[in-house]
This record gives sequence, structure tokens and C-alpha cells, in this order.
Amino acid sequence: DSGVTQTPKHLITATGQRVTLRCSPRSGDLSVYWYQQSLDQGLQFLIQYYNGEERAKGNILERFSAQQFPDLHSELNLSSLELGDSALYFCASSVTPGRRGPRTDTQYFGPGTRLTVL
Amino acid sequence: ELKVEQNPLFLSMQEGKNYTIYCNYSTTSDRLYWYRQDPGKSLESLFVLLSNGAVKQEGRLMASLDTKARLSTLHITAAVHDLSATYFCAVDTGGFKTIFGAGTRLFVKA
Repeated sequence: DSGVTQTPKHLITATGQRVTLRCSPRSGDLSVYWYQQSLDQGLQFLIQYYNGEERAKGNILERFSAQQFPDLHSELNLSSLELGDSALYFCASSVTPGRRGPRTDTQYFGPGTRLTVL
Repeated sequence: ELKVEQNPLFLSMQEGKNYTIYCNYSTTSDRLYWYRQDPGKSLESLFVLLSNGAVKQEGRLMASLDTKARLSTLHITAAVHDLSATYFCAVDTGGFKTIFGAGTRLFVKA
């Protein structure tokens, strides 16, 4: 158990709908990362938040958005869902200091949310 | 844009044999990670390599990093069935993004 929690575990919805995925990082971790894993695209970095602020953006569609709240939990919002959005969505957390230093920045992954769009 | 390439993408090997998985990346980076993923499960951190020449070992797995060649290797010694999983390498871009390789699916035959 990594200490990162994600809800829900499974989500089945229809095209055009909107869903929210939730992530709680490990205690003490300030950074949250979101990834999408699919068979054809592999593991794709979506976005990172550090202490409530967006820090890096990857291959995140405009239909997707995320935020990190003051209690450090994060939500990933997916809207106007398409069949191709079906995937496993992982959240990860790490300590990530305010500046790069000797820390490892190891990311600890949550169990994932499996999204199926029908 | 940073690209991370792993090879082989699929590896079937006999128990007791040795093999190496390679991870090449296209631009300078000083942080490389190896993760393991079991089918239907999440990713588990195996190694973090932070400097040129870094070598880390855990059980039958040993990882090394050559930043000049932009190459990391994950060496498997005397493979056992429990090592069957998908192994990912991942590289920090320096801009707080982490780019993952496509993964190497390892199957160890008993």
C-alpha cells in the first residue's frame, strides 16, 4: 500500500458526460501527479500540482482539468467524454521540495481509477 | 521533446537465466526511475538513479545509469517467476515532467 488513495476504483459512464476523479496523497507529500494509462498510448503524464499550484502540464486535453485543494487532495475533471478517454487514471504523490535538491522525488502511485466510456 | 525508449518491449525468459532491459533517453536528465507494474495493479517504485555511474541493487535486480550515454539498464540475475511483470523506466525532463518509457513486459517461465 503506497499510502495514496484514489476514488472511485471503477467508473462507467456514457459519451458526453463529465466525471471527477479524486486523489489523496501520502501524508506529508506536497506534489500530486496525474497520469493516463491506455493500451495504445502507454503511460502519459497529464499534470502536476505542488502545494496547490499547477507546476507542469503534459499531454492533457482541454476537456480535462485538475486542481489541488488546500488540504492537498486533488481532483481530475474529465468532461465531454469520448470513447477514447477510456483508460486507467493514476494519481501519484511525492515530497518535491520547493527547489530541486538532493531528494529523490520518487513518485508513489495510487491504485488507479478505471474509467470506461460507453 | 524528451523521448524515452525501452527495449525489448517484450521478454520471455527461463527461470535461472540473466537478462538486461535497456532504457535510452534523448535529452539530458539527472534523474531516472525504474518502476514495476503487475497486471491490473499500480506502479511500484524500484530504483531512483540520481547521478552518472549510479548503481543500485535489490535482490535479483540491479539498475545502473550512464548519463553521458543517456542509458540506463535493469539487469535481472537468475530470474524467478515472481519477477514476471511490466517494468517501466521514467526520466525527469527538468521541467517537473516525468516521461515514461513504453514498458517491458517480462514473463519468466518456470
